[in-house]
Amino acid sequence: GIQVEQSPPDLILQEGANSTLRCNFSDSVNNLQWFHQNPWGQLINLFYIPSGTKQNGRLSATTVATERYSLLYISSSQTTDSGVYFCAVVQIKAAGNKLTFGGGTRVLVKP
Amino acid sequence: DGGITQSPKYLFRKEGQNVTLSCEQNLNHDAMYWYRQDPGQGLRLIYYSQIVNDFQKGDIAEGYSVSREKKESFPLTVTSAQKNPTAFYLCASSANRGSEAFFGQGTRLTVV
Repeated sequence: GIQVEQSPPDLILQEGANSTLRCNFSDSVNNLQWFHQNPWGQLINLFYIPSGTKQNGRLSATTVATERYSLLYISSSQTTDSGVYFCAVVQIKAAGNKLTFGGGTRVLVKP
Repeated sequence: DGGITQSPKYLFRKEGQNVTLSCEQNLNHDAMYWYRQDPGQGLRLIYYSQIVNDFQKGDIAEGYSVSREKKESFPLTVTSAQKNPTAFYLCASSANRGSEAFFGQGTRLTVV
């Protein structure tokens, strides 16, 4: 099956710093999502981005489907950005579309 | 409000007992999914369903069973055959093939 790898696994930031998280995938995909998991375990949708670039406030994401990677940018980080960031990809197949997750990047923003 | 509701939020069971986790959505989504998350780990797919009365095994289906008798409901049963059932279980749904998926708040299952 498809492999999804995220880097770095852990990231410690000082408040106000910028950072880039990366998601590589081993096969062509039909769509890609970025999620933020908060301390209570809930997954918050950040971006639905099969290709191109999107921005939402201090966060932006770029997916280059032909090169099989996606990037999540966090600018002017805040302590509330702490948590785990996951990317997930979908391949549409005859048996159905499976949403496959990467291992996540754990982010800690220090005040 | 529209969304995905998982219940209960916390569940404690004795070893050897079957337990059923509830997942209900009122988004009129066709596809539904169950994931398992262990501490410090990513999400692994247990089962998924694209349409009523049909479902497929995911990557870690052994010891679990599901049903999809209604579009809005996709309950997961953790059976006594599951060797290490203590985990955080998340349910998701999406409108159709490949569209954006949304998650419920999860159920933390502890088997003692």
